[in-house]
Amino acid sequence: GAGVSQSPSNKVTEKGKDVELRCDPISGHTALYWYRQSLGQGLEFLIYFQGNSAPDKSGLPSDRFSAERTGGSVSTLTIQRTQQEDSAVYLCASSLGGEETQYFGPGTRLLVL
Amino acid sequence: GIQVEQSPPDLILQEGANSTLRCNFSDSVNNLQWFHQNPWGQLINLFYIPSGTKQNGRLSATTVATERYSLLYISSSQTTDSGVYFCAVEMWNTDKLIFGTGTRLQVFP
Repeated sequence: GAGVSQSPSNKVTEKGKDVELRCDPISGHTALYWYRQSLGQGLEFLIYFQGNSAPDKSGLPSDRFSAERTGGSVSTLTIQRTQQEDSAVYLCASSLGGEETQYFGPGTRLLVL
Repeated sequence: GIQVEQSPPDLILQEGANSTLRCNFSDSVNNLQWFHQNPWGQLINLFYIPSGTKQNGRLSATTVATERYSLLYISSSQTTDSGVYFCAVEMWNTDKLIFGTGTRLQVFP
């Protein structure tokens, strides 16, 4: 079956612009996660969805970051007024539920100039 | 917060050699996963192993939860094993993974 997909694969934007990153989880997976991988910080958790609600947003680095999930499926991570320090690979994962194996997508490479 | 340390940070092997990667964590955990990040950046699941031992082909893993460590064994390494290996833990009553620092493995023919 299809794995987790993310789009776009790569995104180059100018400082100050808004960007939207999309994640399509594995069909039937109720849990969805966003992580970020950057050179200085390693792999960091951003936000977790169970269904359409987000019980854990503790990893979002600032109020410029937001995410939503609709229909218990697709999720969008939005970064407003991008800064150069937002440059990173944004990874999405999904699982059957909490405390289950998480499966990762290929990531979106974001470069803010 | 919990600390997840991996060793060694870098490992260079010749094809056919065996290796052991270690993951230490500073608090009790509910879940532990091992991943391989290939040179294209894709994170590939290797093991879901909160405790005990599992084997999959040339790879095996052991987690001793009471002593707060996990080991990943790679036997008869191949060039395709190259990449970064991460362990990640999930603490009780949370659903997020906390990743270790990674071990970068290079296997040469």
